[in-house]
Order: sequence, then C-alpha cells, then structure tokens
Amino acid sequence: AQSVTQLGSHVSVSEGALVLLRCNYSSSVPPYLFWYVQYPNQGLQLLLKYTTGATLVKGINGFEAEFKKSETSFHLTKPSAHMSDAAEYFCAVSSFSSGSARQLTFGSGTQLTVLP
Amino acid sequence: DTAVSQTPKYLVTQMGNDKSIKCEQNLGHDTMYWYKQDSKKFLKIMFSYNNKELIINETVPNRFSPKSPDKAHLNLHINSLELGDSAVYFCASSRSRSGSFPDTQYFGPGTRLTVL
Repeated sequence: AQSVTQLGSHVSVSEGALVLLRCNYSSSVPPYLFWYVQYPNQGLQLLLKYTTGATLVKGINGFEAEFKKSETSFHLTKPSAHMSDAAEYFCAVSSFSSGSARQLTFGSGTQLTVLP
Repeated sequence: DTAVSQTPKYLVTQMGNDKSIKCEQNLGHDTMYWYKQDSKKFLKIMFSYNNKELIINETVPNRFSPKSPDKAHLNLHINSLELGDSAVYFCASSRSRSGSFPDTQYFGPGTRLTVL
C-alpha cells in the first residue's frame, strides 16, 4: 500500500522567509505525488503534481517541489512566504484501488502560519 | 462559474436523522468522489463513481449511500446519523478513473456536518 507522511503538523515562518513543508512517501511502484492547499473554510486546490519527467515541479503561487527517489521525499518549498500563504497543506500519493480505479491517499496535513 | 459545487455548506442535525448532501460538477468529468475530513483535518476517501458506476467503496458504514443520477451529480445520503459522523465532507471530480497518469482531482467547498 502507498502512503505519505508529513513531518510537522504545524509550521510557522516569518513573512519573506523560506517555506519548507516536508513529505515522505512509501510506494512499491513509481509514485505519482501531489500537493494540495486548503484555505480556511474552503475546498482543496491543487498546487502542483509530479507524474514523470523533470523532478523539480513548479506550481502555482510560487511553490515548487522536488521529487527525490533516493530519499523518498517530495518536499514543498517557496523562497519567500507571503501572508496569503497561511493555510493547510496536504501531500498525497495516487494509487490504484480495487477495480483499477485511481485514488488519492492524503497525508495528515501541515498547517502553515505566516508571521508578520 | 463554480466547477464543483456542494449543498448545503453547513448542516446541523440531531442524532438519528437522515440527511443528504448534493454535489454537482460542470467540468464534464467522468469520475466523482466523496471524502470525509475529520476534526484533525485527516482526509479519507469514502466512495468514487465513474460515469454512474460505483468503483471505489472504502470501509464505510452501510448508513452511507452514494447515489449518482448522472455523471455530473453524486449525492451522499446518510441514514440514522451518529455523533461520529460530524465532519466536513468533500466532493471531488476528475476527468477519468484510470489511465497512465492520474488526473487532477477538483474539490468542492465542503459541507460541514454537525450531529447533535
């Protein structure tokens, strides 16, 4: 079974500082990995995804993530945090369930707080 | 235009009642999903339908019954509500259920269910 682990349920950074949110995956096959963001009282929005090819993936709002197979990681970064980045961030892996249907398995989430 | 919409946004009800949550997507997608997000923000898939056919059915009590009248709609009916059903329920859709690479899932805004 595939799974993801997000290290740190809460991360605080100062405005303008580097954002680093950690995600490690467990998979017996090449993984397809995602980062989603959830703003307060809203649904999830895709930030970026890795399927194949270039291991450094750029997403929306200045975020990027690097797939590192040797470290089984897919950490999310942003060079300079903005107040509007405060949200819950979820790492997810796509896997096949029974019946050859894909499903997303989510990590437990990381709450990002941006301090003025 | 809202891509994935859910109604109602908030639902407060008594234990033992029966309630429904409706979901509609106007993206022309074939696959729809229901997720449950608990109080600790943990997201878990409940069901998935592809073109009105049930393809994913995780370990969910029989009191939960999804219904898909057409591929643009996936409703969730819950019988005999219990305190533990209190959560935020998210509907999502994606273009297809399988294929070589996973399609992005688009999420609705969520329905916050509170059982008293």
